[in-house]
Amino acid sequence: GAVVSQHPSWVICKSGTSVKIECRSLDFQATTMFWYRQFPKQSLMLMATSNEGSKATYEQGVEKDKFLINHASLTLSTLTVTSAHPEDSSFYICSANDRVRAEAFFGQGTRLTVV
Amino acid sequence: QKEVEQDPGPLSVPEGAIVSLNCTYSNSAFQYFMWYRQYSRKGPELLMYTYSSGNKEDGRFTAQVDKSSKYISLFIRDSQPSDSATYLCARNAGGTSYGKLTFGQGTILTVHP
Repeated sequence: GAVVSQHPSWVICKSGTSVKIECRSLDFQATTMFWYRQFPKQSLMLMATSNEGSKATYEQGVEKDKFLINHASLTLSTLTVTSAHPEDSSFYICSANDRVRAEAFFGQGTRLTVV
Repeated sequence: QKEVEQDPGPLSVPEGAIVSLNCTYSNSAFQYFMWYRQYSRKGPELLMYTYSSGNKEDGRFTAQVDKSSKYISLFIRDSQPSDSATYLCARNAGGTSYGKLTFGQGTILTVHP
């Protein structure tokens, strides 16, 4: 099946620093990828839609200047959490649209801890 | 009112039991519904999706949609300890935005030997 690789799987950073998370579709091209956030014992909440070659679309309440999304190629989208704070600690998960199979596949997630 | 509502449980059943997981949704325009399984600290994986009312079966899993009552269900027959996970119902935005999902809260299921 299709594989979406997310890296790193976990990261610890100091408050005020920035962290970049990568999401790659390994065996298909993804013009659209999605970024979700999941707090402990809660569901996944869509943060933004990442479109290759254009600006991301952010959901209401998500700060676009804090969560920078870049989708420079058909197989890679990155999410950068800028000036991270402890309240940004969460599980971040990406998914990628496979138009051939008409299905979205999820990465394994990145656990971010800001100390 | 949340778009998709799901009882978070937790739900604990003995091995071999039939499990019933349920969600309700608010917008009758929703057409595509999915069930995902998520193991701890992993990304969700798609179990089943349905488009219209009725039942869809895949092995031990059956997905059911009742559009008249805005109710979706997932049944697991002969449950196994390996089925222990969080189960998430979701609907998508339709069209080519099948990855743009709204999830329910998730139900934590434990199947004990």
